[in-house]
Amino acid sequence: ETGVTQSPTHLIKTRGQQVTLRCSSQSGHNTVSWYQQALGQGPQFIFQYYREEENGRGNFPPRFSGLQFPNYSSELNVNALELDDSALYLCASSMRASSYNEQFFGPGTRLTVL
Amino acid sequence: QKEVEQDPGPLSVPEGAIVSLNCTYSNSAFQYFMWYRQYSRKGPELLMYTYSSGNKEDGRFTAQVDKSSKYISLFIRDSQPSDSATYLCAMSNAGKSTFGDGTTLTVKP
Repeated sequence: ETGVTQSPTHLIKTRGQQVTLRCSSQSGHNTVSWYQQALGQGPQFIFQYYREEENGRGNFPPRFSGLQFPNYSSELNVNALELDDSALYLCASSMRASSYNEQFFGPGTRLTVL
Repeated sequence: QKEVEQDPGPLSVPEGAIVSLNCTYSNSAFQYFMWYRQYSRKGPELLMYTYSSGNKEDGRFTAQVDKSSKYISLFIRDSQPSDSATYLCAMSNAGKSTFGDGTTLTVKP
């Protein structure tokens, strides 16, 4: 059973650029959630995808968007990057088969916006 | 005010000490209460989760939930240097998790 993987590991962009981060879910999981973790803070919920549909969104602007593919892998896209977007971006996959869904986190992508 | 407030730390204890980590919350809709451990440059790893008020024990770890006070705790007995990490409390409702900002623990040999 493979765990959650994310790519790339690190990324440096400049303000105004666009970025795409990728996540492969753990085998058998059909739900993926994305979180932003700024330095010294806890992860903040961006959005969740279940069977390719957005299933809940946190307090993030529309320039944060996502996709989930038929194999349940996922992308996070951020347009018009701002300095405050510098953070660790985490994805977490889970099985949506029960009322409690244990989330398994990937190692994250560290994004730096200059 | 944040929905989840976590004692900020950092905490530094000698090996073998009992550690207490605490969070308070304001949203009564939270149904599940979790503790995660996060090592530097890694994603969070689930330690324990609980649903109801009371205690849940797993080895050296005990999670405690008091829904009437909106207060949760994690106790670590016989702490080890390998326990040194950032501990995050989290609470979930309808599949969305809200995290505290973490407490960094250092256990000194």
